[in-house]
Amino acid sequence: EAQVTQNPRYLITVTGKKLTVTCSQNMNHEYMSWYRQDPGLGLRQIYYSMNVEVTDKGDVPEGYKVSRKEKRNFPLILESPSPNQTSLYFCASRRGIEEKLFFGSGTQLSVL
Amino acid sequence: AQRVTQPEKLLSVFKGAPVELKCNYSYSGSPELFWYVQYSRQRLQLLLRHISRESIKGFTADLNKGETSFHLKKPFAQEEDSAMYYCALSGSTSGTYKYIFGTGTRLKVLA
Repeated sequence: EAQVTQNPRYLITVTGKKLTVTCSQNMNHEYMSWYRQDPGLGLRQIYYSMNVEVTDKGDVPEGYKVSRKEKRNFPLILESPSPNQTSLYFCASRRGIEEKLFFGSGTQLSVL
Repeated sequence: AQRVTQPEKLLSVFKGAPVELKCNYSYSGSPELFWYVQYSRQRLQLLLRHISRESIKGFTADLNKGETSFHLKKPFAQEEDSAMYYCALSGSTSGTYKYIFGTGTRLKVLA
């Protein structure tokens, strides 16, 4: 089944403790991206990647890192999480620039 | 500035009533427009896109370039339409590729 897989679904951590949220897609999509969803703010793009080893900042990249060493994987790294990064995170992929997005099931992160 | 505006945070309608969820956009080029839907406890999924011009679950959306709008419509709302709806645009500007979402409208269809 074609899908985007995110892990974990829920994560509670403390300020400053490094964490990684994994994202994997099995559709051979070149384009992958990360969003955070906050009440009243909708979805905001954190980072995106056009292909392996090609990444670029979205609208809210501060405090986040990404890597794209393989086409299928696009992990989101929080080196030193802070409470304002408490949010619902979605990974997404798409085949082409103006194609539809396929979303993961989301990761609810709480930073205490 | 590039942005997508959904003016209504919440829209409540009765079952069988018409629905219109508003979406306006600001973009310097010719973007592709989408509507995504998020049902309770589920991931976001594509509802429809402008270029395909198809009707999904009875919903349609017409792109009005003069008014830069892409409103979502359905003639008769059903209870199962209750969900969060996001308007989005995709395009490229100065070599960067953006996918911009609105803040979303929660639709509640009342019995």
